[in-house]
Amino acid sequence: NAGVMQNPRHLVRRRGQEARLRCSPMKGHSHVYWYRQLPEEGLKFMVYLQKENIIDESGMPKERFSAEFPKEGPSILRIQQVVRGDSAAYFCASSPQGQANTIYFGEGSWLTVV
Amino acid sequence: AQSVSQHNHHVILSEAASLELGCNYSYGGTVNLFWYVQYPGQHLQLLLKYFSGDPLVKGIKGFEAEFIKSKFSFNLRKPSVQWSDTAEYFCAVQTGANNLFFGTGTRLTVIP
Repeated sequence: NAGVMQNPRHLVRRRGQEARLRCSPMKGHSHVYWYRQLPEEGLKFMVYLQKENIIDESGMPKERFSAEFPKEGPSILRIQQVVRGDSAAYFCASSPQGQANTIYFGEGSWLTVV
Repeated sequence: AQSVSQHNHHVILSEAASLELGCNYSYGGTVNLFWYVQYPGQHLQLLLKYFSGDPLVKGIKGFEAEFIKSKFSFNLRKPSVQWSDTAEYFCAVQTGANNLFFGTGTRLTVIP
């Protein structure tokens, strides 16, 4: 859904660099989800946030990955010291307050680690 | 922990063949159920969803799905597939905590 904006659409990083993926939810949406799609695998839940609060981060790797959704500005998924295994498509989705059954997805950000 | 299983990893059909993709979930509480489609290089699009009521749900592009509570299943069907249905299909379950969990996906290839 074009309403959820992700950037960059494609990002290439060398091993050891940092990757930052941004997600601007649809207007009026206060909840953001991040998913990772590895090659030949399905979508894996990573983290669920509302503004200034992490609701569920059970899918986040314990190290190098972090996410935030500040009061102002987009949600950011940050991957430090990237490795080849981080190469994947990262999808963001958003939903309105209290209506999480209406979830809209962005077009994804493809991270390639070389 | 909740999980979503899609048993078919890759399905290959000829045009006009009928399609059924399996989806089972493990979660004891109330759930909302979804099927999403992802065309190559594109984002996820919602095909259909079930919240309550009639367990046979009709979606876009001629797809339908049936919720069978006793079997914890939500299988996707289409009577006659087209080449343009070639895509990856994801079943998803939303739990009471409003989180959304996906199956591993089924790749559908339709041969003209």
